Amino acid sequence: DQQVKQNSPSLSVQEGRISILNCDYTNSMFDYFLWYKKYPAEGPTFLISISSIKDKNEDGRFTVFLNKSAKHLSLHIVPSQPGDSAVYFCAASATSTGNQFYFGTGTSLTVIP
Amino acid sequence: DAMVIQNPRYQVTQFGKPVTLSCSQTLNHNVMYWYQQKSSQAPKLLFHYYDKDFNNEADTPDNFQSRRPNTSFCFLDIRSPGLGDAAMYLCATSYTSFIETQYFGPGTRLLVL
Repeated sequence: DQQVKQNSPSLSVQEGRISILNCDYTNSMFDYFLWYKKYPAEGPTFLISISSIKDKNEDGRFTVFLNKSAKHLSLHIVPSQPGDSAVYFCAASATSTGNQFYFGTGTSLTVIP
Repeated sequence: DAMVIQNPRYQVTQFGKPVTLSCSQTLNHNVMYWYQQKSSQAPKLLFHYYDKDFNNEADTPDNFQSRRPNTSFCFLDIRSPGLGDAAMYLCATSYTSFIETQYFGPGTRLLVL
């Protein structure tokens, strides 16, 4: 049973505009969330994370928002650049289960120049 | 550069013929993980080692085994590969088993004929 869901398999955005990638989860025990970025032929690389004690975390062009009541998080990329074109995975973990990540199926972002 | 290395990047095996995938790391991390990712699906944790302590996920088939002879290396053995085992296999590491970023290798794509 998929505990972390990314319902949009793909997203296309014009360069310079905002990209918003969404992620939903079902397990209320999850208290740590991460976004990974994956280029073809490479492994996922860590992008940004957020703890459940926060509702927002920002790192340069990347911001992650967490809505615990809705069990929803989103990744905002502003402004989007062609080099951001990649697959983005959302992952979640619960302190009670240690460093076990549950991943979503990924969203393929294409930034059009 | 410190990194996670997986060999080979592509592996072709025959139905029922044992196969071993390799992962090495120069990060000196204590924990090593193996994930299976099938096409259009989320990466799924198979098992992980904390140092020499092996932790198997409850739903990992017995057909999958792992060895960690030292801190740097971890192997994934598939004793009798079936067609359904064709997937990308990702190795990851982390320093502790507490919630923290995992560092991924590029993956090995396994094809079963």
